[in-house]
Amino acid sequence: DQQVKQNSPSLSVQEGRISILNCDYTNSMFDYFLWYKKYPAEGPTFLISISSIKDKNEDGRFTVFLNKSAKHLSLHIVPSPPGDSAVYFCAASAGAQKLVFGQGTRLTINP
Amino acid sequence: GAVVSQHPSWVICKSGTSVKIECRSLDFQATTMFWYRQFPKQSLMLMATSNEGSKATYEQGVEKDKFLINHASLTLSTLTVTSAHPEDSSFYICSALGLADYNEQFFGPGTRLTVL
Repeated sequence: DQQVKQNSPSLSVQEGRISILNCDYTNSMFDYFLWYKKYPAEGPTFLISISSIKDKNEDGRFTVFLNKSAKHLSLHIVPSPPGDSAVYFCAASAGAQKLVFGQGTRLTINP
Repeated sequence: GAVVSQHPSWVICKSGTSVKIECRSLDFQATTMFWYRQFPKQSLMLMATSNEGSKATYEQGVEKDKFLINHASLTLSTLTVTSAHPEDSSFYICSALGLADYNEQFFGPGTRLTVL
């Protein structure tokens, strides 16, 4: 049972434009959500997180939106330089420290 | 920020041998570390939760006798893949739980295991 789903395995965005990555979850007990960026053969790098008591969190170029009623969150990246090309994972936890990851979305920034 | 290292970064071994992977928190103490496995083009799957000084908690479907985890100190956890087989070939990633933020995990760079 995939509790965290990233339905788009890949996304292509023009350089300089906004990238929007989506994530859905099914477990209503999740109360903390995170986004990670991952390059091949490297560990994930933390980008931004949001608690379930908020609906938006912004940190530099990254903004995460949380819609609890829809069990949906999205990551907005503005702007998108070529270096942002990577696989992006959303993850969720329910009080305890265990993270459940989505399948990832491969973002490609086109020049 | 907090740094987590893994050693080795990649390893090739023969089928039937055992391989030990180390995970270290370099500038902080981690009472809890996690071990993940990632197959190509798939998500990170939690294998086990490692708590310093106690037995690891394994996720469903993960053989504890095959994947031995030891967390003997606050800065080191080890994962030993015993009697490795080609299907164990994967990318193994550890993470350490930061103390400042209850929910923040710091990930290591990963170890690529190839079993011939």
